[in-house]
Formats: sequence, structure tokens, C-alpha cells
Amino acid sequence: GQSLEQPSEVTAVEGAIVQINCTYQTSGFYGLSWYQQHDGGAPTFLSYNALDGLEETGRFSSFLSRSDSYGYLLLQELQMKDSASYFCAPDSGGYQKVTFGIGTKLQVIP
Amino acid sequence: AAGVIQSPRHLIKEKRETATLKCYPIPRHDTVYWYQQGPGQDPQFLISFYEKMQSDKGSIPDRFSAQQFSDYHSELNMSSLELGDSALYFCASSLSRDRGREKLFFGSGTQLSVL
Repeated sequence: GQSLEQPSEVTAVEGAIVQINCTYQTSGFYGLSWYQQHDGGAPTFLSYNALDGLEETGRFSSFLSRSDSYGYLLLQELQMKDSASYFCAPDSGGYQKVTFGIGTKLQVIP
Repeated sequence: AAGVIQSPRHLIKEKRETATLKCYPIPRHDTVYWYQQGPGQDPQFLISFYEKMQSDKGSIPDRFSAQQFSDYHSELNMSSLELGDSALYFCASSLSRDRGREKLFFGSGTQLSVL
């Protein structure tokens, strides 16, 4: 089985930094993906962590701790366009489904 | 760059009718996934195909079926439509594990409305 925990909503100010946490439980684990989805839009891949540590891609960084079954997405220099839902998705390997949690709805305010 | 193409973009059907959604994956991608997303919900996995064979099955109703064809495009067939089937249906594609399966590319989705 699999379970995921993310905060359902987060509000942050434009220009600030926000961290979205994700804890997971899976029967097998290869890595953790993060996706962004704007209202009415398609999910868009942001990052993938296969190893412990921090991966940085521009304003976005993602962290993974396999021993803690924990990861987070860090968004810096927040912009209004970052208002969206963010999903973590554990990769349990094989040619199987990628399961999304309920996602975190981020609202960036002026 | 080529993206995942879904058609139609919007579809309106009556209860008990049938619907067929189509998905054209990114060229050379060998895995296709179908997801259903209701309003305010997270994407729910329905079914996936790897190299034209069903690879995994999620919460797909028995009224739904899907297949992947020799040209790798996939179709989701939905019969005896119910009001609750109204949702956004996404198709995604990826390369297999050894070449980065973990990164899914999503199409723009098909918005199905059942009246």
C-alpha cells in the first residue's frame, strides 16, 4: 500500500520562500517526484530526487531523506504565477502507476 | 518539442452514452498513463500501458476500458456514462525506467461533462 501526507493549503507572500513538506509510505521506493498544476491545467513535472539531498532547479529546490521517508519542495523568490497545487509522487518502481497525493494548494499573495 | 496530445479537448455526453478519449504520447515514449481528476481532487490513476501491454490498473470502473495501439496511441473507452464520470481526464507518457520513467509528461486533458 501507499500513503502520502502533504499540507492541504499554504499561503505565502510574493518574494518570500515557502517549503512544502511530503511524508510517504510505500512498499517500494525509488525516488520522489514533484509536480505543479495550475487550476484547469495539466500537471507539470518539476523535479525528481533519487538520492538523499537537495536538487536545485532555478527558484525551485527539492530535498529527499530516504531514511525519514520525507521530502520537501522549496520555492524561493515567490511570484504570483507560482500560485498552484503542488503534488509529491513517490516512485515505487516498475512500470507501475505514479500516484499523487491530495496536493498542496499554494496561494501567493501580494 | 512534441508534447502529449489528447483529443477531444472538451466532450459533452448524456447519461448512459459512450465516450472515447484519445491520447498520442510523445514520440519514442513507451509508457502511457490515464488519470481522472474531479473538481478539487487530485489526479486518480486509472490504468497504464507499457509497450502496448497493460502494466498496472488503478481505480478504473468496469465500464471503462483502454488499450494502446501499435503506433503507441491509446484510447480510453467509457460506456454507460454516469453523472459522476464528469471530470478532467489526463493522459501522460514517459520513457521506461532505464531512460527516466519517473518523469511523466501530461497532455492538456479532456474535459468530459455528462448531462
